[in-house]
Amino acid sequence: NAGVTQTPKFQVLKTGQSMTLQCAQDMNHEYMSWYRQDPGMGLRLIHYSVGAGITDQGEVPNGYNVSRSTTEDFPLRLLSAAPSQTSVYFCASSYSTKNEQFFGPGTRLTVL
Amino acid sequence: GQSLEQPSEVTAVEGAIVQINCTYQTSGFYGLSWYQQHDGGAPTFLSYNALDGLEETGRFSSFLSRSDSYGYLLLQELQMKDSASYFCAVGSAAGNKLTFGGGTRVLVKP
Repeated sequence: NAGVTQTPKFQVLKTGQSMTLQCAQDMNHEYMSWYRQDPGMGLRLIHYSVGAGITDQGEVPNGYNVSRSTTEDFPLRLLSAAPSQTSVYFCASSYSTKNEQFFGPGTRLTVL
Repeated sequence: GQSLEQPSEVTAVEGAIVQINCTYQTSGFYGLSWYQQHDGGAPTFLSYNALDGLEETGRFSSFLSRSDSYGYLLLQELQMKDSASYFCAVGSAAGNKLTFGGGTRVLVKP
């Protein structure tokens, strides 16, 4: 099992550009989520999904879109990048929030 | 909403015991989790408490008191590799939103 994979590992964008951060898991988990982590801080929930076709907003959803067409994939789209979105983005999956969350290695995004 | 408070930093020597406290406010409680994160790495799961009491996993133990909205992570026989950030997290009333605390940076000195 590869676990949770994220691509790319690093990305530099210019203000106003759009991009998609990819996340995939091969553990057949229903619950998937996206977090951002700013330097020296905790993780903040952006969006989450409790199954294919079902998504909902987390704590900081503005500027981000998600979709869940399959159990395995949960891409995060930045619509128009802003410097405030410079952060490390983690994708996680689990059977539920009551179980162990498995995190991907993260994507380090810089917006200039 | 939900909020969690934990100390920002703790320093201890190898072999010592460290306790990281976490107090939370949440509308509906679905368990308290703990995660470890080394610099530059991803968070990894340590423990989960749904009921009051102590859960022990090797050198690490986690405690929960739901009546006090309080929990702690106990790190025993500290090793250099335990230098990392430790986060507590709680689930929302629906159980689907996980909120993390700001993290406690543990520095282990020789």
